[in-house]
Amino acid sequence: QITLKESGPTLVKPTQTLTLTCTVSGFSLTTSGVGVGWIRQPPGKALEWLALIYWDDDKRYSPSLKSRLSITKDTSKNQVVLTMTNMDPVDTGTYYCAHRQVGPRGVWFDPWGQGTLVTVSS
Amino acid sequence: DIQMTQSPSSLSASVGDRVTITCRASQSISSYLNWYQQKPGKAPILLIYAASSLQSGVPSRFSGSGSGTDFTLTISSLQPEDFATYYCQQSYNIPFTFGPGTKVDIK
Repeated sequence: QITLKESGPTLVKPTQTLTLTCTVSGFSLTTSGVGVGWIRQPPGKALEWLALIYWDDDKRYSPSLKSRLSITKDTSKNQVVLTMTNMDPVDTGTYYCAHRQVGPRGVWFDPWGQGTLVTVSS
Repeated sequence: DIQMTQSPSSLSASVGDRVTITCRASQSISSYLNWYQQKPGKAPILLIYAASSLQSGVPSRFSGSGSGTDFTLTISSLQPEDFATYYCQQSYNIPFTFGPGTKVDIK
């Protein structure tokens, strides 16, 4: 059974750097084809894809946030880490990590972690 | 970026109703379209991938169709547990983008 769980601070101050950890189980981060993504959701708003890391350490970022994001993985700990610099109150929301599935007709995320709510406030 | 729109933004329906939600992409995305269900305070759950493939474990009352720019999610007979918000997502291009959501509530 594949599971993912996010962890990190619930409150960060403006201009600070956010570091979130996604701990996975039920699959290996080094298995060919595996990917883990991060998606966020401001309160009451829609989902926004942020970043994706592949088994071979290839990475993809949302162009609008690329300058602020970094995604890495620690295979020994089964963890994927997302950092976002220069946090602003508009970055407040629930941050999810999710397992990427791939097929002949695209990419989808399943399952997702439970999410972690991050509030940006002084 | 590929923009995704959904209609309606919300709807009220009764148990047993047939419900259809539409998703439109700003350019052709072939069949690279997925549907998720999200209940309040919970993570999204994958319902449909590649436009029309039912995810394992998802009830058969859910179905998806479409290709190119226009897609639909249909719930053939709405059940109490189906009241939720539904999102479409394209994976044709990075950045992956989601629609704004359609909230289905009880009439």
